[in-house]
Amino acid sequence: RKEVEQDPGPFNVPEGATVAFNCTYSNSASQSFFWYRQDCRKEPKLLMSVYSSGNEDGRFTAQLNRASQYISLLIRDSKLSDSATYLCVVNNPPAGNKLTFGGGTRVLVKP
Amino acid sequence: NAGVTQTPKFQVLKTGQSMTLQCAQDMNHNSMYWYRQDPGMGLRLIYYSASEGTTDKGEVPNGYNVSRLNKREFSLRLESAAPSQTSVYFCASSTTKTGEARTRADTQYFGPGTRLTVL
Repeated sequence: RKEVEQDPGPFNVPEGATVAFNCTYSNSASQSFFWYRQDCRKEPKLLMSVYSSGNEDGRFTAQLNRASQYISLLIRDSKLSDSATYLCVVNNPPAGNKLTFGGGTRVLVKP
Repeated sequence: NAGVTQTPKFQVLKTGQSMTLQCAQDMNHNSMYWYRQDPGMGLRLIYYSASEGTTDKGEVPNGYNVSRLNKREFSLRLESAAPSQTSVYFCASSTTKTGEARTRADTQYFGPGTRLTVL
């Protein structure tokens, strides 16, 4: 089983619609969770950290379910510029600063 | 403030050649990392350096060596390149607060990447 698993997609989303996707992780000791965004042929950039109580940043909402070991990302009112690959990232204690990346979920927002 | 910079941006090598990928950060970060990214796969950690003077193996260290030259710079060396090392290489850095490194991770900031092809 992969340490961090994501549906590779693509998720084809009409502009203005809502899209949500999950990732599952295997290390129950993980303490830090992130969503990164990666545009084609570019470096990953932090989209948002994921906190235990869930958190929102504009049109983006992230949730953490520790019991079932999954993280979710919801994008509301999708924009064309949201088209990208979204990487689910968790850390790996005891070397807490080591991160494991999922393979990414590709989102394509279409007019 | 350039963040994380990498050189070169592109490189083509023949099997058996050697090369060094350079990475530098100007954010005064303690930790630095080297990843590779292959199609359809997530980023995989090659080596990392939790602080100046220390380096540790990641998930896929075979065929690579690293040097943490100083706090700013972290280089990755391929001694004898193989076609299996064709990939996109990313360098990253993070603050890594003292005392939290064992359980928590800070945001990692990535360089623009080096696209390496080994023929």
